[in-house]
Amino acid sequence: QKEVEQNSGPLSVPEGAIASLNCTYSDRVSQSFFWYRQYSGKSPELIMSIYSNGDKEDGRFTAQLNKASQYVSLLIRDSQPSDSATYLCAVRSGNTGKLIFGQGTTLQVKP
Amino acid sequence: DAGITQSPRHKVTETGTPVTLRCHQTENHRYMYWYRQDPGHGLRLIHYSYGVKDTDKGEVSDGYSVSRSKTEDFLLTLESATSSQTSVYFCAISGQLNTEAFFGQGTRLTVV
Repeated sequence: QKEVEQNSGPLSVPEGAIASLNCTYSDRVSQSFFWYRQYSGKSPELIMSIYSNGDKEDGRFTAQLNKASQYVSLLIRDSQPSDSATYLCAVRSGNTGKLIFGQGTTLQVKP
Repeated sequence: DAGITQSPRHKVTETGTPVTLRCHQTENHRYMYWYRQDPGHGLRLIHYSYGVKDTDKGEVSDGYSVSRSKTEDFLLTLESATSSQTSVYFCAISGQLNTEAFFGQGTRLTVV
């Protein structure tokens, strides 16, 4: 079992819709959770970080964390074609600093 | 942008030769990471460092070694390159135990 799992997709949504991306993790001592966006041929860039249970909103993005169920999700409201990219979930161990990524979910937003 | 420089940016090498990739940071961050990225696999952790001369293995460390003799540099060495090590390699840095990491521009390595 991989430490961090994501559905590789592609996830296709129409422009203006809500995109929902999910991630599960196996290490219960994980303390920090991140969502990165990566465009083809580019480096990953940070979108959101979340550290405690519940929701965290930043503009059109909302990250949700449920430590009891060991999952993290990212909602993108009013999806735009420019949101088309690969979204990477990352989980960091609170003990060692090790940072593990899922395989990424490809999002396609169709005009 | 975080001050991270990877070198070289592109490299073609022959099977069996040693290769060293360099990650240089100007942020004085404690944590440094090396990842490889291949289609369908996302980012896979090779090795990481939590301080000068303090390193640990990641998910795919076989065939790779690292060294960190000073805060700003983290070197990744392929002792004897194989075609399976053809990949894009990313370096990342992070300042605190539970804060976000920032990535370098990547190195595209081709082993022929």
